[in-house]
Amino acid sequence: QSVLTQPPSVSAAPGQKVTISCSGSSSNIGNNYVSWYQQLPGTAPKLLIYDNNKRPPGIPDRFSGSKSDTSATLGITGLQTGDEADYYCGTWDSILSGGVFGGGTKLTVL
Amino acid sequence: EVQVVESGGGFIQPGGSLRLSCAASGFTISGYYMTWVRQAPGKGLEWVSVIYIGGGTSYADSVKGRFTISRDSSSNTLYLQLNSLRVDDTAVYYCARGFRGWYFDLWGRGTLVNVSS
Repeated sequence: QSVLTQPPSVSAAPGQKVTISCSGSSSNIGNNYVSWYQQLPGTAPKLLIYDNNKRPPGIPDRFSGSKSDTSATLGITGLQTGDEADYYCGTWDSILSGGVFGGGTKLTVL
Repeated sequence: EVQVVESGGGFIQPGGSLRLSCAASGFTISGYYMTWVRQAPGKGLEWVSVIYIGGGTSYADSVKGRFTISRDSSSNTLYLQLNSLRVDDTAVYYCARGFRGWYFDLWGRGTLVNVSS
């Protein structure tokens, strides 16, 4: 059982928008930055969002991040079939004194 | 080219030891929060360990006392010593470059550790 809670799966049609939630507590999301990762099948994770809502160079603005209290959300607009992947949130946990990830959300673009 | 390349994985019996290496190029590992993350077959990401810029370390409870992270600045290589391996340590182990805000912008392809009798 992961410290951060994500829905196991989400789906939407091409061109639509989807959001993925990540729920935690005051010891992790509530007092630390959140990052988001995309993992395409058979590949290493890729950084999509850092510091709650910043995009690294090369990440399109179709991807966005937000945080409120002890929850964070990844938004993806203009869905493409190439967006089908597993998505993970991550942060630091002050009680565990370690990093934590969500259990991952599988995105299906119907 | 800025990259990290893991090596050292393989098949090992329970109770055995392995040392994983992560060779970095294009940047200096001592300037970052170098991290190991693992992923068991068909499962999600699990943070394993970090070595901070100052040399301090942290470990997940699941590996504390059994795994040791270290770095060699002369060869710009990160290591993870895995001792007393258990079946549930079976996973792909990724090396990642990390930052103070606890995010990882550069990942290797990973190296598979398979613990089985």
